[in-house]
Amino acid sequence: GAVVSQHPSRVICKSGTSVKIECRSLDFQATTMFWYRQFPKQSLMLMATSNEGSKATYEQGVEKDKFLINHASLTLSTLTVTSAHPEDSSFYICSARDPGRNSGNTIYFGEGSWLTVV
Amino acid sequence: GDSVTQMEGPVTLSEEAFLTINCTYTATGYPSLFWYVQYPGEGLQLLLKATKADDKGSNKGFEATYRKETTSFHLEKGSVQVSDSAVYFCALVDLQGAQKLVFGQGTRLTINP
Repeated sequence: GAVVSQHPSRVICKSGTSVKIECRSLDFQATTMFWYRQFPKQSLMLMATSNEGSKATYEQGVEKDKFLINHASLTLSTLTVTSAHPEDSSFYICSARDPGRNSGNTIYFGEGSWLTVV
Repeated sequence: GDSVTQMEGPVTLSEEAFLTINCTYTATGYPSLFWYVQYPGEGLQLLLKATKADDKGSNKGFEATYRKETTSFHLEKGSVQVSDSAVYFCALVDLQGAQKLVFGQGTRLTINP
């Protein structure tokens, strides 16, 4: 079964509103989670690294005030797209590394969230 | 910086054909290597992984061997099925460094019956 869960899987919001996407690690504690964005038929672009208990680290070109990341616990990170615009419509996907002794540091992905801004 | 280069797609094969999707990487450290698969309309699923040189990852009939001398991690399957149609991503992570996954551009695979 899934070890990283994302919610919602699909969301439609109006332009100018904000939407929150949750990413949970179900079977392990993740001090670090990652948020990616994927445009149609393209590869994944890392947006930011979410660090539990501290500020996220954003990749160059990603607006930190627009894409708010909160990692309040070892099993939950949230991405909030603020004042959404149609160009923010995309597939957002999170990942988390299982640091467990027997996991081989495997990185698992959530199911992804389709955001459509109308 | 670290990078991954994948065989360009799309790739179209007939059922039961042999599959190879090439993947090469550049990394300053000693990365772990992964293949992820994305089925239509879905998120990414881990297909297989290898954490050190000469390791072979395998799952669902797919295999890939971590070749440090050629910096490669080619994905192979002896007999593909229609259900294997998906996009395949090669990726690496340097766990001693930034711990960020670096992805190849993805290869779209279509298997015809």
